Formats: sequence, C-alpha cells, structure tokens
Amino acid sequence: DAGVTQSPTHLIKTRGQQVTLRCSPKSGHDTVSWYQQALGQGPQFIFQYYEEEERQRGNFPDRFSGHQFPNYSSELNVNALLLGDSALYLCASSFGKFYEQYFGPGTRLTVT
Amino acid sequence: AQTVTQSQPEMSVQEAETVTLSCTYDTSENNYYLFWYKQPPSRQMILVIRQEAYKQQNATENRFSVNFQKAAKSFSLKISDSQLGDTAMYFCAFMKHSSRTSGSRLTFGEGTQLTVNP
Repeated sequence: DAGVTQSPTHLIKTRGQQVTLRCSPKSGHDTVSWYQQALGQGPQFIFQYYEEEERQRGNFPDRFSGHQFPNYSSELNVNALLLGDSALYLCASSFGKFYEQYFGPGTRLTVT
Repeated sequence: AQTVTQSQPEMSVQEAETVTLSCTYDTSENNYYLFWYKQPPSRQMILVIRQEAYKQQNATENRFSVNFQKAAKSFSLKISDSQLGDTAMYFCAFMKHSSRTSGSRLTFGEGTQLTVNP
C-alpha cells in the first residue's frame, strides 16, 4: 500500500522564478492538503483540494495556487518566488474521515 | 481563529524515563480534534495520538497518553519508557470538526524538540 509521495525531494530555485511541486495521495484517498513548514517552525496550512476544487485556503498570497487532477493527485504552484518561500512543503491526504491526514515526506524548496 | 501554543522549545529525557510535553490552545469551537504529531530528522510527519473533544476519556496509544483538560484548553502528551527512537520534534495540532465538502485544516504549534539520551 503506497503512502503519500511527493516530488521532487529537493529543489533549488532563483528569486522570481516559478515552481511546481507534486503530490500523489495515499492509495484510496481523494483529498489533498498542502502545508508550508519554514525552518524551526510548525507547518502552516496553504490549501486543501477535494473533488478538484479548493475547499479551504490559508493565509497565503495568490502567488500560491494549486490543482487537483481526476486521479486525485495534486500540484502546488508558486509564482514570483521570494527568499521567504524557502521551506519544506508537506502534502497530506485523507479519505472519508477528514481528521485522519497522512503526510508525505515533503519537498525541500530553497530559493536563492 | 484557533491558536496552538507549545511553551517548551526543547526537552530532554533519559532512556526508560517518562516525559511530558505541554500544549495549550485557544478556540471558540466546541467540537474539535487534537493531535500530537512526531517529526523525526527524516521529516516525515507521523501521527502519534488523537483526541476527540467530545470524549472525556484521555486517549492512549501504547507508551503514549494524553491529559486533555477541555475547560483549561490544555492537551499534554506523556511518553512512558522513553526510547532512543522517540527523539524527534513533536507538534501539537488542532482541527475543528468539519466535513469533506467544507474542508478541514490542521493548525500546528511551534513544536518541542525532544531528545532521549542513552
């Protein structure tokens, strides 16, 4: 039973560039959430997708956008990267019981 | 809006001893869930234990147990018989009762770095 997978593992980008991070949910899961975890801090909720729609959004600018595909996988896009976007980006998936979220290993994004 | 506070940035304990991590939260919700997650150096966020606010009985998972004080909005984690593998960052988290269509989110505290010494 495959867990939540994320790609890539690490990524280095330059200020002003755009980045796309990918997440495949745990087998059987249909809801995907994204979190940003800055170094030494707790994760911050970005948004959640269910049935290909954004269901909730945290306090993040419009530079952060997402998408969910019919196979339930998801992408997180960040435009006009800032140094402050450097963080670990975590994806979590769930099904049915919304309070049971399973996390992936994360993508470490470094903006230089 | 909900807030979660962990006042202990770092803690250490000797192997086989017991340690308690503290967490307080603020919410106007009456129906919600509380969690403790563990994040080892591998970065994988792992659920340790979950507590439903409507349950008076404290949750227990093997060596892990919680002390849930709803009126005081306190949710501490006790780790008994600490093992070297328990070394990790521990996060307290809150989620209000929701549904799949309205969406749900976890609100995390800042974390407590626990080190278990041999």
